[in-house]
Amino acid sequence: RKEVEQDPGPFNVPEGATVAFNCTYSNSASQSFFWYRQDCRKEPKLLMSVYSSGNEDGRFTAQLNRASQYISLLIRDSKLSDSATYLCVVNNKGYQKVTFGTGTKLQVIP
Amino acid sequence: DVKVTQSSRYLVKRTGEKVFLECVQDMDHENMFWYRQDPGLGLRLIYFSYDVKMKEKGDIPEGYSVSREKKERFSLILESASTNQTSMYLCASGLALDEQFFGPGTRLTVL
Repeated sequence: RKEVEQDPGPFNVPEGATVAFNCTYSNSASQSFFWYRQDCRKEPKLLMSVYSSGNEDGRFTAQLNRASQYISLLIRDSKLSDSATYLCVVNNKGYQKVTFGTGTKLQVIP
Repeated sequence: DVKVTQSSRYLVKRTGEKVFLECVQDMDHENMFWYRQDPGLGLRLIYFSYDVKMKEKGDIPEGYSVSREKKERFSLILESASTNQTSMYLCASGLALDEQFFGPGTRLTVL
């Protein structure tokens, strides 16, 4: 089983729709969780950290489910500019590196 | 703004050549990382460094080495380039293991 798994998509959604991605991780000792965004032919950039209590930033909501070992990203009122690949990132306790998922591609269509 | 720069955006080399990829960050970050990104495989960690002259192997270090002589600079070296090292190489830096700031990437083609 991969350390971090994501549905590669693509998710094709109309503008204004709500879309959600999940990411599962295999190590129950995982400590920190993040979502990064990567635009086509660009470098990844941090979108948001994922906290145990869940966190929200505008139209974006991230949640963590430790019991089922997954994190989620919800995007409300999708914009064309949200089209990108979303990378799930997990850090394991005691290690000084993180593991990236392979990404979920989102295409918002007019 | 944090800035991470990489020496080249595109590079074409021949099999067997020694290749140097340079990365410089301007935010005094302790941690620096080298990844390669391939379709369907995502970002894979090659090496990382948490201090000057310190280095740790990542998940795929074979065929690569690194050098960190100064805090701001982290170099990736392909001792003898092979065609399976054709990839996008991304450098990143960060204060801790939270946010990593990435450079624009170097697309390396080995012929």
